[in-house]
Amino acid sequence: DAKTTQPNSMESNEEEPVHLPCNHSTISGTDYIHWYRQLPSQGPEYVIHGLTSNVNNRMASLAIAEDRKSSTLILHRATLRDAAVYYCILRDVGTGGFKTIFGAGTRLFVKA
Amino acid sequence: DTEVTQTPKHLVMGMTNKKSLKCEQHMGHRAMYWYKQKAKKPPELMFVYSYEKLSINESVPSRFSPECPNSSLLNLHLHALQPEDSALYLCASSPTDRQGDEQYFGPGTRLTVT
Repeated sequence: DAKTTQPNSMESNEEEPVHLPCNHSTISGTDYIHWYRQLPSQGPEYVIHGLTSNVNNRMASLAIAEDRKSSTLILHRATLRDAAVYYCILRDVGTGGFKTIFGAGTRLFVKA
Repeated sequence: DTEVTQTPKHLVMGMTNKKSLKCEQHMGHRAMYWYKQKAKKPPELMFVYSYEKLSINESVPSRFSPECPNSSLLNLHLHALQPEDSALYLCASSPTDRQGDEQYFGPGTRLTVT
């Protein structure tokens, strides 16, 4: 199974940018990199995904290293609502299809 | 409507009971998923349905039995569970089961086995 490695926790000040790193050194050429977040007492929520190029959407940006062995999720201005566990995920090929294997995640604390 | 609904929100059951969890989506998605999440751990994939057919079973014990009666509904039938099966059970859906598709998660059913 493809694996991702993330820091256990990070802290940010409100209204400042946050860079959440993820290492995925065993990534294969066809693996997409997905990010989800989980707020307290809720199901995970999609944030962003990409394959090779950097990606932007209304929630965040995803910067993918040229060798694809690492990526960084960028929240441009953290708010208190962004306090959550952020999961970096590679979708792996199973015998019947693609499996979503969650890594341990990074718990983001946002200070007012 | 971009919502996945799950019922019930909470469930307490004894080890000899039979119960079912229900998941519903009306986004026209053709892939649906069951995950199990223990406290302070990431979700773990249990089952994947693609076009109403079971495509992935992650070696889940037979006391968990999934069912996909139609493209909008996903059930998880529970029988003879153990206390260690207590967890948050999450349902998700996506347009297809392809790699690049975004998954939409429901809020989960918190299950306690006594």
